[in-house]
Amino acid sequence: GAVVSQHPSRVICKSGTSVKIECRSLDFQATTMFWYRQFPKQSLMLMATSNEGSKATYEQGVEKDKFLINHASLTLSTLTVTSAHPEDSSFYICSASNSGLEQFFGPGTRLTVL
Amino acid sequence: GNSVTQMEGPVTLSEEAFLTINCTYTATGYPSLFWYVQYPGEGLQLLLKATKADDKGSNKGFEATYRKETTSFHLEKGSVQVSDSAVYFCALSDRVQAGTALIFGKGTTLSVSS
Repeated sequence: GAVVSQHPSRVICKSGTSVKIECRSLDFQATTMFWYRQFPKQSLMLMATSNEGSKATYEQGVEKDKFLINHASLTLSTLTVTSAHPEDSSFYICSASNSGLEQFFGPGTRLTVL
Repeated sequence: GNSVTQMEGPVTLSEEAFLTINCTYTATGYPSLFWYVQYPGEGLQLLLKATKADDKGSNKGFEATYRKETTSFHLEKGSVQVSDSAVYFCALSDRVQAGTALIFGKGTTLSVSS
C-alpha cells in the first residue's frame, strides 16, 4: 500500500515556541491531506483538510492562526503549532488521499509542550 | 451530526477465540463504513470497508457487514491470533468520493495471548 511518513515522531518543546510537523506521501501524489488530533483514549478528531495549492479548511473550533497548515506540493503538507502551550500536547496524525476513496495514514507525531 | 460509537476496551482474548467488536453509527444519508487497525508503533491501516447497505467487507479473516437497519458495522473474526493485537478503529465517511475526511470511533484495544 501507499506510504505516508511524518516527521518528527516525537517532539518536546517549551511553552511559547513553535513546532513544525511534516507529512509526506512517499510513493503517490496526494491531492488532499488531512490533519487529525488524538487525545489519550479518544477518537481521532479532524482538525483541517488541505488541498495542494489552496488554503486549508479548518474544522469548527480549530484556530487557523494557531495551527498553520501548508500544502505546497502534492507530496508534502506541514502543520505548524505556533506559540505552543501545554494544552496543545497531543498526538497529531496526518493522512493523505489520492484520487481514490482510501486514505493513507502517517504514524503520528507525539507533541509534548512543557 | 455524524458520529461513531464503538465498544470500549481493552478486549483480552486467548488465541483462537472468537472476536466481536461492536460499532454503531449515526449519519445522515448513506455513509461508507471502515475499520482501521493500528499496530504498535505504526500508522493506521485500512482493514476493510463497505460502501452500501448489506455489503460485507472482509480481509485477513476479519469481516464486517453494513447493517443499515441497525446502523451497525460490527467487526468479527472467527479465530484470533497473537499478531492481531492492535487498536481497531471504526470510521465513517459521509460521501463516497475522494477527499472526504473520516469520523472515527474512540478505538478498541485488542490483546491476544497465546
